[in-house]
Amino acid sequence: EAQVTQNPRYLITVTGKKLTVTCSQNMNHEYMSWYRQDPGLGLRQIYYSMNVEVTDKGDVPEGYKVSRKEKRNFPLILESPSPNQTSLYFCASSLSRGLLTAQFFGPGTRLTVL
Amino acid sequence: ILNVEQSPQSLHVQEGDSTNFTCSFPSSNFYALHWYRWETAKSPEALFVMTLNGDEKKKGRISATLNTKEGYSYLYIKGSQPEDSATYLCAFTSGGSYIPTFGRGTSLIVHP
Repeated sequence: EAQVTQNPRYLITVTGKKLTVTCSQNMNHEYMSWYRQDPGLGLRQIYYSMNVEVTDKGDVPEGYKVSRKEKRNFPLILESPSPNQTSLYFCASSLSRGLLTAQFFGPGTRLTVL
Repeated sequence: ILNVEQSPQSLHVQEGDSTNFTCSFPSSNFYALHWYRWETAKSPEALFVMTLNGDEKKKGRISATLNTKEGYSYLYIKGSQPEDSATYLCAFTSGGSYIPTFGRGTSLIVHP
């Protein structure tokens, strides 16, 4: 089944404790991205990647890191999480690098930073 | 950050009603517009990708139109059903950017 998977789905952590949210897609998509969803705001892109070893900042990259060592995986790393990073996070992938094809979203990760 | 507005913010209709809502975006440097359907407790699901002025797309009872010169897209739902209840998002991408800007969505509730 074609899908984007994320783990964990729920995470409660404390300020400063490094964490990684994994994202994997099995559709051989070129473009992958991370978004956060906060109440009253639209989805905002954190980072995106158009190919292996090619990543770039989205609209809200501060406090996050990503890597794209393999085409299928695009982990999101929070080196030192803070309470303002409490949010719902989505990973997404798209066949086309230029976003001329639909994005497929993962199930979401709800992160709480205490 | 670009300004993408969706209206109305929320909409309640009766089963069988037809409805439509709007996504407004900058009229210059258009590249692509995406529509998504987002049900509660699920993840956004792609409906349409629109790239050309005058594009019309259809999927079952849902259709969309695009006017890049004036900077808007309409989403229409014909004969709404309770299962159409969801938030509908649009996302605009400008030329030279690979960062989509999402609107805040229109929440549709269809009452049986």
